[in-house]
Amino acid sequence: DAGVIQSPRHEVTEMGQEVTLRCKPISGHDYLFWYRQTMMRGLELLIYFNNNVPIDDSGMPEDRFSAKMPNASFSTLKIQPSEPRDSAVYFCASSLSTPLPGPSNTEAFFGQGTRLTVV
Amino acid sequence: GEDVEQSLFLSVREGDSSVINCTYTDSSSTYLYWYKQEPGAGLQLLTYIFSNMDMKQDQRLTVLLNKKDKHLSLRIADTQTGDSAIYFCAENTAGTALIFGKGTTLSVSS
Repeated sequence: DAGVIQSPRHEVTEMGQEVTLRCKPISGHDYLFWYRQTMMRGLELLIYFNNNVPIDDSGMPEDRFSAKMPNASFSTLKIQPSEPRDSAVYFCASSLSTPLPGPSNTEAFFGQGTRLTVV
Repeated sequence: GEDVEQSLFLSVREGDSSVINCTYTDSSSTYLYWYKQEPGAGLQLLTYIFSNMDMKQDQRLTVLLNKKDKHLSLRIADTQTGDSAIYFCAENTAGTALIFGKGTTLSVSS
């Protein structure tokens, strides 16, 4: 497997524009996570899905942020309208839950991230 | 809520030991992790410890867990320049999301 694939790797957009970040999780993984990384706040959990269903979106900063997972192999994170303070690196991660003990059911595999710059 | 705290920076010389500390607040955490992030890359799992253990050794890495004080540490023996990275402490219970600290930037000088 190629791992978690995110696109684009870099995005520069103007304030007010809509931004869509994409993620393809590892095949067979049933958890998908969106994180945001900034110098000030570190790595923040935005939202996560289990079997395509959003489980916890309490980390989504505002209504301008939305995430979808229409099927097991694809998720999007949308910001509309974007603002300069949204500039960050956005990571997608996936993991596999299994009934076996041990962290293999909770280890998260991360994509390379999308570096978003809103000017 | 859950909160994971780490010191932000650590600087060591090549060959020395590095100790990165972390405190967490969720006593129900089942697993505690150390992830490593190299420049321009995503995070990779480095090592983990189950909450009923107090120590785990894995080659140059030693993880110590003090559950009473909710304190986790990562010791890297014989630190190399290739160990320079950001190290994240994380906690969770099975079936939930990982909660990360802000990360400790380890700088190794030769």
